[in-house]
Amino acid sequence: DTAVSQTPKYLVTQMGNDKSIKCEQNLGHDTMYWYKQDSKKFLKIMFSYNNKELIINETVPNRFSPKSPDKAHLNLHINSLELGDSAVYFCASSQLYGGTNEKLFFGSGTQLSVL
Amino acid sequence: RKEVEQDPGPFNVPEGATVAFNCTYSNSASQSFFWYRQDCRKEPKLLMSVYSSGNEDGRFTAQLNRASQYISLLIRDSKLSDSATYLCVVKRTGGFKTIFGAGTRLFVKA
Repeated sequence: DTAVSQTPKYLVTQMGNDKSIKCEQNLGHDTMYWYKQDSKKFLKIMFSYNNKELIINETVPNRFSPKSPDKAHLNLHINSLELGDSAVYFCASSQLYGGTNEKLFFGSGTQLSVL
Repeated sequence: RKEVEQDPGPFNVPEGATVAFNCTYSNSASQSFFWYRQDCRKEPKLLMSVYSSGNEDGRFTAQLNRASQYISLLIRDSKLSDSATYLCVVKRTGGFKTIFGAGTRLFVKA
């Protein structure tokens, strides 16, 4: 069983469209995250939710809206897609939120290409 | 200046070689330290945590120098399967954010 699963794996779309990426974890973790990895391979946190509550909201355009219907799911909706949004988006989860030995479990990533 | 800095490499080494990666962090409030491994087109996976006393896991040894704000990873007897990007990861006190370095690329050749 996949611990952190995200869909779709690939997403190719036109500028201006709205798209969503879904993430689910079956690890029973309380905390979930969205990370963006750009073409230079730099992995940067976007959002974090702990028990459905938004904890971290980095300087991300408000076209990006995360939603956590329950602690096992964290979806990412992107409005009015731009060329610069092209990247790999990783969902992750962890249990010891705030703990010093928190281990992150990542999904396999969604490659978003905006044309 | 980035909060976590790594030599991007690439490091090209023959099988059996010993290779060391370095990482520096700028925020002295950083509390926890890790090395993650990322294979091409795959997700990052935890390789090992880094403790002040230094720790070893098989062929891998991690060291932390808090005074110099410096972390290292040593790989002995390199294998072809060690080829990957190694990400230095730092977590601040309070645990709200995990910061990833840009990674060091390693190629191990036969």
